[in-house]
Amino acid sequence: GAGVSQSPSNKVTEKGKDVELRCDPISGHTALYWYRQSLGQGLEFLIYFQGNSAPDKSGLPSDRFSAERTGGSVSTLTIQRTQQEDSAVYLCASSMEKGVTEAFFGQGTRLTVV
Amino acid sequence: RKEVEQDPGPFNVPEGATVAFNCTYSNSASQSFFWYRQDCRKEPKLLMSVYSSGNEDGRFTAQLNRASQYISLLIRDSKLSDSATYLCVVNSGGGADGLTFGKGTHLIIQP
Repeated sequence: GAGVSQSPSNKVTEKGKDVELRCDPISGHTALYWYRQSLGQGLEFLIYFQGNSAPDKSGLPSDRFSAERTGGSVSTLTIQRTQQEDSAVYLCASSMEKGVTEAFFGQGTRLTVV
Repeated sequence: RKEVEQDPGPFNVPEGATVAFNCTYSNSASQSFFWYRQDCRKEPKLLMSVYSSGNEDGRFTAQLNRASQYISLLIRDSKLSDSATYLCVVNSGGGADGLTFGKGTHLIIQP
């Protein structure tokens, strides 16, 4: 596709359930980033991939959060045993090359844990 | 992670006025700098890159001061449609660092 695609766009889940969020970056982009944003707040960095490897996992808030990227393309962010404080918009971005090029964002997944 | 600091605002500015934001960054090895714009309940979108020599795009001017480690954005003749949150973004390029976003500056243009 022409842009970064995220799915689902909205997800409502019950507390304690696992959820999986998907990001399909722009073709050819090697760097991929996950952020989350709570209402009225700034972007919170979660994890960053260069190709399939994640050199920086420092932002994952707990061991309930994990992410992977396969084939240097699609990435999934998994949240296990969701809690209400996990409710936020999860944004994915990709860039052609880490270091010098701008990143393009998907429209995000709005996660609501009830 | 390295920090990027912005005044959160809000900046309330009358239409037609000139407004300027600053952003400071702590990593002296940073290589690339950007300003993004985020509208309410939307994803961030690139407004402009910031080059060492400074750059201008219509009513928008971006400046970089490496010695003092700050970036500025100037908006002239502000429009109602400029109301948004402006995010300063720094990319360190080397090692494991990726993009670092500031928390954003909220701008409200008033008629």
